[in-house]
Amino acid sequence: DQQVKQNSPSLSVQEGRISILNCDYTNSMFDYFLWYKKYPAEGPTFLISISSIKDKNEDGRFTVFLNKSAKHLSLHIVPSQPGDSAVYFCASTQGGSEKLVFGKGTKLTVNP
Amino acid sequence: DVKVTQSSRYLVKRTGEKVFLECVQDMDHENMFWYRQDPGLGLRLIYFSYDVKMKEKGDIPEGYSVSREKKERFSLILESASTNQTSMYLCASSERSSGNIQYFGAGTRLSVL
Repeated sequence: DQQVKQNSPSLSVQEGRISILNCDYTNSMFDYFLWYKKYPAEGPTFLISISSIKDKNEDGRFTVFLNKSAKHLSLHIVPSQPGDSAVYFCASTQGGSEKLVFGKGTKLTVNP
Repeated sequence: DVKVTQSSRYLVKRTGEKVFLECVQDMDHENMFWYRQDPGLGLRLIYFSYDVKMKEKGDIPEGYSVSREKKERFSLILESASTNQTSMYLCASSERSSGNIQYFGAGTRLSVL
């Protein structure tokens, strides 16, 4: 039973355009959400997070939007750069848990 | 800067061997985790430790065990390696409190022949 779903295994965008990565969750108890970025042969690195009390969090070119009623979050990257090409993982957790539940990832390719 | 160090980047082992994967973190984090990453399956939690000598099974603990004798070190043990354990293994650590960011090591690519 997949609690965190990233339904697009891959996404390709042109440099300078917007990249939108989507994530859906099923557990209504989740209250904290994170995005990680992973390059090949490296460990994931934390990118940005959002608490369920917010609907938007922005950090430079990266913005995460949370729609609690739809149990959906998205990561926007504007403008996209070739160095953003990586696998992006969505992760969620709930109050009282030390563990994260990860999605399967979306491979983003930004073409020059 | 948090540093999570995995002892090997690449390992090649034979079926039936006992395999030890070591992970050390330098931030005095209470929590440590072992994941495996496989194409199309994302990151799956194998084991989790929330304190020295304390452990909790994750989603796929079968065929694995762990050891946490010191706070900074968390070992993953494959008792008898099998070919289906060929994978990328990732160690992570975090502070205690829910939702805290996990910091990952660079990973160990294990091949079991």
